[in-house]
Amino acid sequence: DQQVKQNSPSLSVQEGRISILNCDYTNSMFDYFLWYKKYPAEGPTFLISISSIKDKNEDGRFTVFLNKSAKHLSLHIVPSQPGDSAVYFCAASDTGTASKLTFGTGTRLQVTL
Amino acid sequence: DAGVTQSPTHLIKTRGQQVTLRCSPKSGHDTVSWYQQALGQGPQFIFQYYEEEERQRGNFPDRFSGHQFPNYSSELNVNALLLGDSALYLCASSVDRGSYNSPLHFGNGTRLTVT
Repeated sequence: DQQVKQNSPSLSVQEGRISILNCDYTNSMFDYFLWYKKYPAEGPTFLISISSIKDKNEDGRFTVFLNKSAKHLSLHIVPSQPGDSAVYFCAASDTGTASKLTFGTGTRLQVTL
Repeated sequence: DAGVTQSPTHLIKTRGQQVTLRCSPKSGHDTVSWYQQALGQGPQFIFQYYEEEERQRGNFPDRFSGHQFPNYSSELNVNALLLGDSALYLCASSVDRGSYNSPLHFGNGTRLTVT
């Protein structure tokens, strides 16, 4: 039972354009969401998070949008840079904090020149 | 400032054997979580340790056990290894602030292969 789904296994975007990564969840008890980035041979690195009491959170080039009624969140990267090429994981928690995370299967982003 | 360190980086074991993986949290962090990442999947939560106690546990059998030491470092033990235990094991640390945990900082993982 995949409670957090990332339906696009891969995404290719040109440098300078916007990258949009999507994530859907089924557990209505999830109240805290995070995005992690993972390079090969490294552990995941925290990018940005959002609480269920908000619908948007920004940090530099990264913005996360949360649509609770649709149980959907997205990560926008603007502008995309070649160094953004990595696997992006969406994660969710029902504890209101970054604890006991449920991860999606990841989306591989390739930013091309 | 050292981040989360895990050892060993790679390990090959035979079915039925036991394995111990080690983790040192990021400086200043007091909470350690363990995740299993199978090939092509996202990390799956195994358990979390705080104040040397297992505080939360995911859907993993009792063959998976752990320990946290007074210096906050942690071990993950897996008994009676199965082929399906082959995966990347990730340790993550964070700071417990009551109702809030800081975002997890992950180590680079231990790649376990069971033959």
